[in-house]
Amino acid sequence: ELKVEQNPLFLSMQEGKNYTIYCNYSTTSDRLYWYRQDPGKSLESLFVLLSNGAVKQEGRLMASLDTKARLSTLHITAAVHDLSATYFCAPQARGDDKIIFGKGTRLHILP
Amino acid sequence: NAGVMQNPRHLVRRRGQEARLRCSPMKGHSHVYWYRQLPEEGLKFMVYLQKENIIDESGMPKERFSAEFPKEGPSILRIQQVVRGDSAAYFCASSPARGQLLGNIQYFGAGTRLSVL
Repeated sequence: ELKVEQNPLFLSMQEGKNYTIYCNYSTTSDRLYWYRQDPGKSLESLFVLLSNGAVKQEGRLMASLDTKARLSTLHITAAVHDLSATYFCAPQARGDDKIIFGKGTRLHILP
Repeated sequence: NAGVMQNPRHLVRRRGQEARLRCSPMKGHSHVYWYRQLPEEGLKFMVYLQKENIIDESGMPKERFSAEFPKEGPSILRIQQVVRGDSAAYFCASSPARGQLLGNIQYFGAGTRLSVL
């Protein structure tokens, strides 16, 4: 059974700083999704990573996937307050239809 | 093009009552997933359905919970004889193709927040 571990679970940082969220998973997966959730809201798709070494960037966010290490990272560059939200990684086990969510990283960016 | 529509947005039930949660997928999507989210937790997969078929119900509790996605109309998640522990946010997602297909993205609805008194 695919297990997902995100860390940190909570992150408070100053505007302008850089930081990385880590997502480890337990079994073979060749695709992984990152979602954003604002409080009380639904989930918004950020990135789909489909192969080993995949890197995607959108604005101040960059996501990467290392399938050999079973690790994905979400890197935040020069954080701004608008990025405050909870970020979930969700790998998909090979051959499976469903995706499995991590517990989420609650990111709070201080002005 | 409307997104995934869930209703009601908030639902209050007393213990022992039934809860019916509805999900209309995005236009052109025939695959629906239901998830449950407890406060401060990630989403837990419950069930994956295609029109008129349950594909994967490995996350559904064995009793009191059922789901359907009829040929016409929305997908329904039904919880019978609700208990306090059923209080959570229930999210529905839809996708245009089978979950296994590469790059198949799930699009989420706004959720139904169920409170059991």
